[in-house]
Formats: sequence, structure tokens, C-alpha cells
Amino acid sequence: EDQVTQSPEALRLQEGESSSLNCSYTVSGLRGLFWYRQDPGKGPEFLFTLYSAGEEKEKERLKATLTKKESFLHITAPKPEDSATYLCAVQGSGTYKYIFGTGTRLKVLA
Amino acid sequence: GAVVSQHPSWVICKSGTSVKIECRSLDFQATTMFWYRQFPKQSLMLMATSNEGSKATYEQGVEKDKFLINHASLTLSTLTVTSAHPEDSSFYICSARGTSENTDTQYFGPGTRLTVL
Repeated sequence: EDQVTQSPEALRLQEGESSSLNCSYTVSGLRGLFWYRQDPGKGPEFLFTLYSAGEEKEKERLKATLTKKESFLHITAPKPEDSATYLCAVQGSGTYKYIFGTGTRLKVLA
Repeated sequence: GAVVSQHPSWVICKSGTSVKIECRSLDFQATTMFWYRQFPKQSLMLMATSNEGSKATYEQGVEKDKFLINHASLTLSTLTVTSAHPEDSSFYICSARGTSENTDTQYFGPGTRLTVL
């Protein structure tokens, strides 16, 4: 059964304290892995799409990496405005549907 | 680019009434649109997938007669919650998949908060 597990469930960081969020997945033929940021009461905001193991993408303080079993979202020197829930989703072959993880709630303290 | 809007952003209605939510892709054509439901502190639950000009495909356990979906054009999909009841209160979010490059990526709307009294 296709499944996505995110850890930790919640994370509190001091401003400037770098860390990583994990997204482990099992899927029949990975077509794509997606990272989103969601603020309270809003829809998910697209961050990255990763397609194959070894691929990396960066945007400002965020860097996403992908292996055959998991993806990491690295946050370097986070700021309070990075506080949000980060969602990971995977898409298997033969479908356009996503399977979402339950998210990591990140709080960055000033 | 890849902006998706939803209207209304919030709605309060009485039990038994119907509510329509619109989802529009503003700067791209969406071959496929998706409707999700999200409960507090939970992840997104896919309700249905809609393709322009064809009937929506509903996920298991989602009542198609209660949640009517119409994908009338490549930029507009609507979700109608019929005979709404308090248990239908939730945050409804749509997403759209484009027709050009990067077609696997879904772009999400800002969501609609539905409260049924």
C-alpha cells in the first residue's frame, strides 16, 4: 500500500538553528515527490517537485533532496517567518493523485 | 504564475441549504482539478478528481450526490455541497494541474471555510 510518513510531527527551532524534516515513502513507481508549505487557514503553497533519486532543489533557505526511500527538507538558518506546516506528497505511476503525509508543524522562535 | 483562486473564502449557511464553491486557475489552463477536505490539524483528504468536460471521479466514501462537481471549462471547477449539515463543516481546498510543462505539480487555491449551523 502506498504510504507517506513525515517526521517529526512538530519541531521548534531557535532563529538561525538549522534542521531537517523527513518524508519517508513507499509507492509503486514514484512519478514525483512534492513539498508544500501551509500557513494556518490557507491553502498549500508549492515549494518543490523532485522526480528522481539524487535530485536536489533549493529556494532561499530551503533545500529538498530525494533518495529512493525518503526526502529531506533542509532549513538553513531559519527565520520566524518560516514557521508553518510543511507537507510532503508523492505521486505514483499511472495516476495524477497525490498521497499526502500528515505534515511537520515548524515553529521558529525569535 | 500558476495561481489558483477560490470563492468564497468563507461561508456560513443554515442546515439543509446548498453551497457552491468556485475554483479558478487564473493564469493557466487546468486539465485536471482536485477537491480536498481538511479537518483541523490534519492533512488533506482527496474528495474527487475532475477533468474538463467529463464526470468527476470520487474517492471511496465520498457521496457524489452530496458533493456535486462540475468542471465546465479549462479554468473553472465548482463544488456544490447539497443539503449541507453541520458535519459538512470543514476547510475545502481545490488544486489544479496544468497542461504545459511540469504537469505533475498541483497548485492549490487558498481554501474555503464552510460552517453549517
